[in-house]
Amino acid sequence: QKEVEQDPGPLSVPEGAIVSLNCTYSNSAFQYFMWYRQYSRKGPELLMYTYSSGNKEDGRFTAQVDKSSKYISLFIRDSQPSDSATYLCAMSSTNAGKSTFGDGTTLTVKP
Amino acid sequence: KAGVTQTPRYLIKTRGQQVTLSCSPISGHRSVSWYQQTPGQGLQFLFEYFSETQRNKGNFPGRFSGRQFSNSRSEMNVSTLELGDSALYLCASSSGDHTSYNEQFFGPGTRLTVL
Repeated sequence: QKEVEQDPGPLSVPEGAIVSLNCTYSNSAFQYFMWYRQYSRKGPELLMYTYSSGNKEDGRFTAQVDKSSKYISLFIRDSQPSDSATYLCAMSSTNAGKSTFGDGTTLTVKP
Repeated sequence: KAGVTQTPRYLIKTRGQQVTLSCSPISGHRSVSWYQQTPGQGLQFLFEYFSETQRNKGNFPGRFSGRQFSNSRSEMNVSTLELGDSALYLCASSSGDHTSYNEQFFGPGTRLTVL
């Protein structure tokens, strides 16, 4: 079983919809929780990170971490066609350059 | 500020050959991490170098190796290539500073195809 499991998708929503992306994990040592966005033929880019449990909001994006349930989510409000990409959750136990990634969810936002 | 650069962008090799990939981190960054991305296994951590020393290592066979130079540029080498090594190899750089969150900045990757 993988340390990080991500809802596989793919996900297709109409423009303006609220999108929910989710990951679960098994390693209690994870303290840093990240969401990356990856466009085709590009490397992942960091959207948001959260340290330990809690919520974090950045514009249309909200990240939630529930360490007691080992569950993290990313919500996208008022989704736009430009949000169409693969979203990857990632986790790390230390603030060093080693992260464990989910397999990604491909999102398509239709105009 | 220039981003992370990786060379070459595309590479075709045959089984049994070896390959060297290069990564130039963002200026001032001292940590370089390497990841392998495949459709079946997703993004998997290979290793991280910080100040020319390997700081973390993933679960890959010894055919995968790396090094970092004094200017923080890094190379990874794969010897005796197998068909299963076909993947997108991503390099990520970060400051390596433990006093604040170390955001990893990814390069565009090197697409390796093994025939």
